[in-house]
Amino acid sequence: GENVEQHPSTLSVQEGDSAVIKCTYSDSASNYFPWYKQELGKRPQLIIDIRSNVGEKKDQRIAVTLNKTAKHFSLHITETQPEDSAVYFCAANTLGGGADGLTFGKGTHLIIQP
Amino acid sequence: GAVVSQHPSRVICKSGTSVKIECRSLDFQATTMFWYRQFPKQSLMLMATSNEGSKATYEQGVEKDKFLINHASLTLSTLTVTSAHPEDSSFYICSARMAGQYEQYFGPGTRLTVT
Repeated sequence: GENVEQHPSTLSVQEGDSAVIKCTYSDSASNYFPWYKQELGKRPQLIIDIRSNVGEKKDQRIAVTLNKTAKHFSLHITETQPEDSAVYFCAANTLGGGADGLTFGKGTHLIIQP
Repeated sequence: GAVVSQHPSRVICKSGTSVKIECRSLDFQATTMFWYRQFPKQSLMLMATSNEGSKATYEQGVEKDKFLINHASLTLSTLTVTSAHPEDSSFYICSARMAGQYEQYFGPGTRLTVT
């Protein structure tokens, strides 16, 4: 099955600086890579996603890049703000593979220092 | 749009009893629903995938006789934790997906505490 590795587990950045979180996946058949933000006790919120036919996607301060050859994808947050503090999870799956739920990384606790 | 609800949001039950959690897609038809479990300070782990009208597909290590899943309609899936034990205490989150779509819409989760 799929295995997703996520680094770092904790990331502390100064407000206004950029944050980068990286994930690798093992199953070359994976074709969908979402990123979620989760606050304590709440549901995961989709912040951006990318499909395997695209190398990069951007939405305001958030961008995701995908390298299919290397099987890794990254989340980039620019001009970080205090409200960006949360746990971020990457995930991967293969749509159409039958039992195609998401495999999540272990999460990154992002701390924005004022 | 694309709202998923779960009920109850919190439940406390005694060891040995069973508890049912409902997951509903409120404004769309969910051909596939997923159940995840999240222990404190850990990631979400997929438990099972259910397609409407079919038996659920369970992930390796998840006991199908303990975690009963029913996806009886395009808007409702239920997870029943049978003979619950303290180690089943966790945050259970469902998600729902429309046919042909990639995105999963998550419910708010159910905090289960077994005493």
